[in-house]
Amino acid sequence: DQQVKQNSPSLSVQEGRISILNCDYTNSMFDYFLWYKKYPAEGPTFLISISSIKDKNEDGRFTVFLNKSAKHLSLHIVPSQPGDSAVYFCAASATQGAQKLVFGQGTRLTINP
Amino acid sequence: NAGVTQTPKFQVLKTGQSMTLQCAQDMNHNSMYWYRQDPGMGLRLIYYSASEGTTDKGEVPNGYNVSRLNKREFSLRLESAAPSQTSVYFCASSETDSYGYTFGSGTRLTVV
Repeated sequence: DQQVKQNSPSLSVQEGRISILNCDYTNSMFDYFLWYKKYPAEGPTFLISISSIKDKNEDGRFTVFLNKSAKHLSLHIVPSQPGDSAVYFCAASATQGAQKLVFGQGTRLTINP
Repeated sequence: NAGVTQTPKFQVLKTGQSMTLQCAQDMNHNSMYWYRQDPGMGLRLIYYSASEGTTDKGEVPNGYNVSRLNKREFSLRLESAAPSQTSVYFCASSETDSYGYTFGSGTRLTVV
């Protein structure tokens, strides 16, 4: 039972354009959502997060949008840069205190020059 | 600042062998976690430790045991390795009230 789903295994975007990565969840108890970025042979690193009390959070070129009624969130990267090429994981949590994260399958983003 | 250190980085085991994956963090975090990453499955939680002295099962605990040796160290043991445990294993840590995990660089384990 995959509670957090990233249905696009890969995405290819031209440098300078917008990258949009999508994530769906099924557990209505999730109240905090995060995006992690992972380069080959490294561990995931935290990128941006959003609480369920908000519908948008922005940090520089990265913006996360949350649509609670659709149980959907997305990560926008504008403008996309070659260094953004990585695997992006969506994660969610429903636990106060233990902060256990449930991760999606990941989307491999490739930025083409 | 080392962050989260995992050893070894690579390991090949024969079916039935045992081994312990080591993890240490130097950020004084209370919570520590073990995840495995498999193609098409994302990161799945094996075990976690909310604080020193406590451990709990995650989504996929079968075939594994853990020890929270002290606040810094959280080890993962495979008593009798199986090919299905071939995976990349990540250790992570966080503050008690934080969702921002810090991950180690991973251990790539192959069981033949």
